[in-house]
Amino acid sequence: NAGVTQTPKFRILKIGQSMTLQCTQDMNHNYMYWYRQDPGMGLKLIYYSVGAGITDKGEVPNGYNVSRSTTEDFPLRLELAAPSQTSVYFCASSYTQSNTDTQYFGPGTRLTVL
Amino acid sequence: DAKTTQPTSMDCAEGRAANLPCNHSTISGNEYVYWYRQIHSQGPQYIIHGLKNNETNEMASLIITEDRKSSTLILPHATLRDTAVYYCIVRRNTGTASKLTFGTGTRLQVTL
Repeated sequence: NAGVTQTPKFRILKIGQSMTLQCTQDMNHNYMYWYRQDPGMGLKLIYYSVGAGITDKGEVPNGYNVSRSTTEDFPLRLELAAPSQTSVYFCASSYTQSNTDTQYFGPGTRLTVL
Repeated sequence: DAKTTQPTSMDCAEGRAANLPCNHSTISGNEYVYWYRQIHSQGPQYIIHGLKNNETNEMASLIITEDRKSSTLILPHATLRDTAVYYCIVRRNTGTASKLTFGTGTRLQVTL
């Protein structure tokens, strides 16, 4: 059971380039999330998904897109990368019920936009 | 979700118990207390959660006061690998997706 995996671990982009951050979970979790963490700060929610085919915006969605075609995968797309998107990106998943809502995180992707 | 207050940093000698406090005086009756930690450069890791009873698992114990306005996370025998930022989060389990709001947490340094 690998849990939540993310690729790549590191990436440097030039301004205006685009890329997709991959996230896969093998726990059959219904909910998946993308967060970003800027240096010395807490995590901010970018997008989340409650199941295949269903996604919704978090608190900082601008400049990003997501899709959820399968239960396992939740890729995050950056279009027209900007220096403000330099951050560490964490994917998480959870099997949310009324008495438990534990999110499990991947190892992160460290992105630098120059 | 209720706001939490934690000390900025704490030190603990290796092998000793680390007791990390958290104040959540505005907690509502249906809000749970969750603890996560983040070891440098890694993704946050779930530790434990509870509603009103004390909880224990293989990683830690969670002691919640009777009035639920504060709690303590206990790492019974801290090791160097427990050096991390520990986050106390209070939230409702709504049965649907919702974000985790991480505050500034407590930076625990375990020393030899």
